[in-house]
Amino acid sequence: QSALTQPASVSGSPGQSITISCTGTSSDVGGYNYVSWYQQHPGKAPKVMIYEVSNRPSGVSNRFSGSKSGNTASLTISGLQAEDEAEYYCNSYTSIRTYVFGTGTKVNVL
Amino acid sequence: QVQLQESGPGLVKPSETLSLTCTVSGGSISGYYWSWIRQPPGKGLEWIAFIYYTGNTNYNPSLKSRVTISVDTSKNQFSLRLNSVTAADTAVYYCARYSGSPSTWFDPWGQGTLVTVSS
Repeated sequence: QSALTQPASVSGSPGQSITISCTGTSSDVGGYNYVSWYQQHPGKAPKVMIYEVSNRPSGVSNRFSGSKSGNTASLTISGLQAEDEAEYYCNSYTSIRTYVFGTGTKVNVL
Repeated sequence: QVQLQESGPGLVKPSETLSLTCTVSGGSISGYYWSWIRQPPGKGLEWIAFIYYTGNTNYNPSLKSRVTISVDTSKNQFSLRLNSVTAADTAVYYCARYSGSPSTWFDPWGQGTLVTVSS
């Protein structure tokens, strides 16, 4: 199975909004509403930020939101803050009952 | 709250078998799906496998021929075995629990353990 495609990096200034895309196929992202997003700071374990495309776990800031259109899911961070600088990964369930991660996106806060 | 802790050798020789255990504390392993995920140094995350507490499993097709995941409910642990390792298997290995209904997202995660494949 191929990794989902994400941009290598996205940059924004504090207070701005940025969007990270995650492109797959009809056998994963497009076929199921089981896309989740993870934030990973250096040397730390990933932390879930969004599950089932657009749901936020308890404790995650409402500045994080998710959506999906066709085979592409998106994570939007609004009101960008310095603490949001991290690596972000999407993940999707697939048609063969496996899971696949995205290639990862480094968010830079300018 | 539930906590996960990976354990096992930090150094494995090429062609040998990598064995890791994830110990679950603060909750029962029963009723949930569990997973292994790895991350080579400086690279992205790769899903390896999942197991249900009853023993139902599935594997990443690219690793399926070399991987075995198992569960021991009496010890509240699940394990990973990866045979015929090469330098490409050097990575931080994470264990994680699936959450949700259906269970499709990973939370919580263990802290991760670095396994280096080298002679």
